[in-house]
Amino acid sequence: GQSLEQPSEVTAVEGAIVQINCTYQTSGFYGLSWYQQHDGGAPTFLSYNGLDGLEETGRFSSFLSRSDSYGYLLLQELQMKDSAYYFCAVRDRGAGGANNLFFGTGTRLTVIP
Amino acid sequence: DTGVSQNPRHKITKRGQNVTFRCDPISEHNRLYWYRQTLGQGPEFLTYFQNEAQLEKSRLLSDRFSAERPKGSFSTLEIQRTEQGDSAMYLCASRLGTGNTGELFFGEGSRLTVL
Repeated sequence: GQSLEQPSEVTAVEGAIVQINCTYQTSGFYGLSWYQQHDGGAPTFLSYNGLDGLEETGRFSSFLSRSDSYGYLLLQELQMKDSAYYFCAVRDRGAGGANNLFFGTGTRLTVIP
Repeated sequence: DTGVSQNPRHKITKRGQNVTFRCDPISEHNRLYWYRQTLGQGPEFLTYFQNEAQLEKSRLLSDRFSAERPKGSFSTLEIQRTEQGDSAMYLCASRLGTGNTGELFFGEGSRLTVL
């Protein structure tokens, strides 16, 4: 099976930097993805790490350490619109083959003025 | 709009009734996924299709649930004899079969309420 842990809630100030951590346990690990979901909306893809290191996409960066089974999402220059749920998801080798995504329980980020 | 489309967006039904949801993926995507999401939780994997073949089903998927993708395009998810515990958002997602970067394209979901 798969197990992912991330903080349930994080609050940060507009313009600041926030880091959302994710630890995971799984077999057949291929990579770690991050998704954003606003209330009432669909999850949308933010970033993916298949190898160790940092991936940067605009204000968002994601990091992976496979040896530590750990990753994080870094959001810079926070904006009010960044208030949302953030999910880490492991790309895992399921029984039918690779490329299934299993999601964590999510972190609710609240950005305050 | 060429995104993932799901219908109906909302369904209210009485316990014991059958319901069916439809998903139309992005046209060139041959991989299709169904997830279930309840309030405050992450999407839970239900099942996965590669073209018309159902390659994996979660243990969460009881025998009351069945999914099909008969022509490798749209998919349906049927829940028979619905129970109140089935109330959730049912999400469909799709992706191309190559160059996997962990990116799925999700639809807006079908919200089921079982009374």
